[in-house]
Amino acid sequence: DVKVTQSSRYLVKRTGEKVFLECVQDMDHENMFWYRQDPGLGLRLIYFSYDVKMKEKGDIPEGYSVSREKKERFSLILESASTNQTSMYLCASSLGGGGYEQYFGPGTRLTVT
Amino acid sequence: DQQVKQNSPSLSVQEGRISILNCDYTNSMFDYFLWYKKYPAEGPTFLISISSIKDKNEDGRFTVFLNKSAKHLSLHIVPSQPGDSAVYFCAASVRNAGNMLTFGGGTRLMVKP
Repeated sequence: DVKVTQSSRYLVKRTGEKVFLECVQDMDHENMFWYRQDPGLGLRLIYFSYDVKMKEKGDIPEGYSVSREKKERFSLILESASTNQTSMYLCASSLGGGGYEQYFGPGTRLTVT
Repeated sequence: DQQVKQNSPSLSVQEGRISILNCDYTNSMFDYFLWYKKYPAEGPTFLISISSIKDKNEDGRFTVFLNKSAKHLSLHIVPSQPGDSAVYFCAASVRNAGNMLTFGGGTRLMVKP
């Protein structure tokens, strides 16, 4: 079974703090993704990576950055957290190329106060 | 502008009856469609997919129908069970453009015993 793990289930941070969310997958997948989920808006893609050290912006990259130093690990960084970044953050991975389902981690509920 | 829309935020169905969840899309380049199920405090899990070369795909109690001319897909669950109560997301992708998914806003299905 594919396993995608995220470093925290719940996180509370203050405005202006730097926040790191980490994701690890154990299936040697080439692609990794970061989404945020907000009510009524579904899942929106923040960034994705199709290879080590490669990254591409998704639909809502503003205020976020990512790092992929190893194939199995994809980190999402909030340089200076703001209250409008309070959300559920979901990491996913998939095989390379197209037409493959993505496997999701359990999510991190981030609250910025 | 949302390219994938799920116009019903919620749906309530009696146990044993059919659940029909609908999804519309606007981008005619989409050629691969997926449904995910999400329980609270968990990541989405892949349910079923369909390629644009097909108009129907079946997996046990779950069937997905695709109407390309109407840019519409639907997920049928027969018979519905209380354990099916969850949020369902449809997603679409362009296969030869990598594995990025565009998600709808989700439909919360409640199956009453």
